[in-house]
Formats: sequence, structure tokens, C-alpha cells
Amino acid sequence: GQNIDQPTEMTATEGAIVQINCTYQTSGFNGLFWYQQHAGEAPTFLSYNVLDGLEEKGRFSSFLSRSKGYSYLLLKELQMKDSASYLCAVRCYNQGGKLIFGQGTELSVKP
Amino acid sequence: EAGVAQSPRYKIIEKRQSVAFWCNPISGHATLYWYQQILGQGPKLLIQFQNNGVVDDSQLPKDRFSAERLKGVDSTLKIQPAKLEDSAVYLCASSRRGQVLAKNIQYFGAGTRLSVL
Repeated sequence: GQNIDQPTEMTATEGAIVQINCTYQTSGFNGLFWYQQHAGEAPTFLSYNVLDGLEEKGRFSSFLSRSKGYSYLLLKELQMKDSASYLCAVRCYNQGGKLIFGQGTELSVKP
Repeated sequence: EAGVAQSPRYKIIEKRQSVAFWCNPISGHATLYWYQQILGQGPKLLIQFQNNGVVDDSQLPKDRFSAERLKGVDSTLKIQPAKLEDSAVYLCASSRRGQVLAKNIQYFGAGTRLSVL
């Protein structure tokens, strides 16, 4: 079956760096997505990785290792507004290409 | 461009009642998805449409849930009769094309929060 694991909760300090890990066990891997979801709001797209390596976009970076079934989202210079749930999702071509989401990591940024 | 629109934002019903949710995707997006997100969990796909045809409804509880996208644009999701375990946020998302192509970002609406009492 398909399995995606993320930590349930994390806490970090404003201005610091935090790394949110995601491990997956799937067949037919065809891309990994990170979404941010503030309480009561829509998930919003942050990043996409399909090849191994690091993708950087401003304060956010995402890394993928397909051989290890592992990804992380790196948030730099944390701001209070970064307090949200971060969702890791894997797309598998043998599942009709649908996204399979992890449970999400609730990040709290404290002053 | 306008985002994915959903209504209502909140709905409270009693068990065994029926309820319907509406979604208007981003203009030009051929693919529309309905997800169920239970508190503390990630979204789970219920059904995926490509234009007005169903691509995947393998996780839709068809004895009580139904969905349609008659003209390939707006969509409605219905639950009849509702159960307590249906309490969740129902998210609608859209994308330009089917999922098997590269990247193909899904854009989400704010969702409808359903409470079944």
C-alpha cells in the first residue's frame, strides 16, 4: 500500500530555520508536493520535486531523495505567519496520478 | 485570476439528513477534485473529474455520496443520508489537466466545514 509519514507537530522560534521531514513508501512515484494550510483556509502550493535534489524558492526550499523515499521542506528566517500545517503529498502514476497526502505537520512559530 | 469558489463555508445538519456542496473551479481548468479532510488528517480524494467524466471515484462511499459535473464546469457533491463520521471539511480543487502529466498543480478552495450532529 501507499504510506506517507510526517511528524505531527513541530515548534520553532521566530527568525530560526526549521526542517519538516516526509518519508514515503509508494509504487509508481511521479512527483512530490508540499502545501501550506492555515487553519480554516485552503491548502496552497509551496513546492514540487520530481528529480533528486534541492529546489529553492525564496525562504522555502524542498529536497527529494527518491532512492531513500525521503523529502524535507526547509523554512528559513521563520515568521509568525509561517505557523500553519504543512502537507506532504505524493503522486503515483499507477494510482491514476492522484495525490496521496500525509497527515500534515502542525508548525508553531513562537516569538 | 479568481480562485476555486466553494459554498457554503459552514453547514450543520443532523444525522440522516441530506446536504449538498457546490464548487466552481478556476476558469479553464479541465480537472476537478473533491477531497474529504477529517480534523488532524491530510485530504483524502473522493472523486476526480476530467471535464464532465469521472476519472477516479474509488474512495467515494457510493451508497451515500454522489457527485456530478454536468457541463464540465461547476460541480456538486451530495451526501444522503449523512452519518456522524461524515463530519469533516470538504475541499474542492482544480487543475489544468489530468494528474499523470508533470507538475500540474492543484489549486484548492477554502472548503465547506460540515458538522453532523
